[in-house]
Amino acid sequence: QQQVKQSPQSLIVQKGGISIINCAYENTAFDYFPWYQQFPGKGPALLIAIRPDVSEKKEGRFTISFNKSAKQFSLHIMDSQPGDSATYFCAARGRGADGLTFGKGTHLIIQP
Amino acid sequence: GAGVSQSPSNKVTEKGKDVELRCDPISGHTALYWYRQSLGQGLEFLIYFQGNSAPDKSGLPSDRFSAERTGGSVSTLTIQRTQQEDSAVYLCASSFTGIYGYTFGSGTRLTVV
Repeated sequence: QQQVKQSPQSLIVQKGGISIINCAYENTAFDYFPWYQQFPGKGPALLIAIRPDVSEKKEGRFTISFNKSAKQFSLHIMDSQPGDSATYFCAARGRGADGLTFGKGTHLIIQP
Repeated sequence: GAGVSQSPSNKVTEKGKDVELRCDPISGHTALYWYRQSLGQGLEFLIYFQGNSAPDKSGLPSDRFSAERTGGSVSTLTIQRTQQEDSAVYLCASSFTGIYGYTFGSGTRLTVV
């Protein structure tokens, strides 16, 4: 059973702080790990993604850290802003497959 | 179009009725996916279309659910004899073949009363 476990389910961070969301997977065939951001009433939007041949990828205030041996990856949001308040989903894709397996999501609230 | 378009945006139906949900993918995208999002349950894969290949229906929860994609473009998800547990947001996404990131529509919120 392909599975991606995401934690925490909800997170409250003060403005300017660091938000950290973690995901763990079981299937070693996964070869692509994206994060999606979803605002209320909208579909998820691709935020940042990483492949397992690198340990970290940074885009602006968003960083993915990847630990292949532990089969874990995480999203760090630096200098968190109220506009970052959203639901975040991690996901994983199998090699040669097109469908993504999603985590259950983290509801992030940034308090001003 | 510029994005993935889904209609209707909201649908309220009575238990036992059939519903059809429509997805217009981004022009030229060969892959199309349907997901279901229930409160607190994340994104559940339903079905995947890739070009002219037979669809991957492995995620459909019951035989009341079916989907088709006409002309490699527009897709319709049909739920027959709707049940209250079918209430959810149904999301459609599309992508080019071999491109891992895909674009979601805003979804159809289905409420079965």
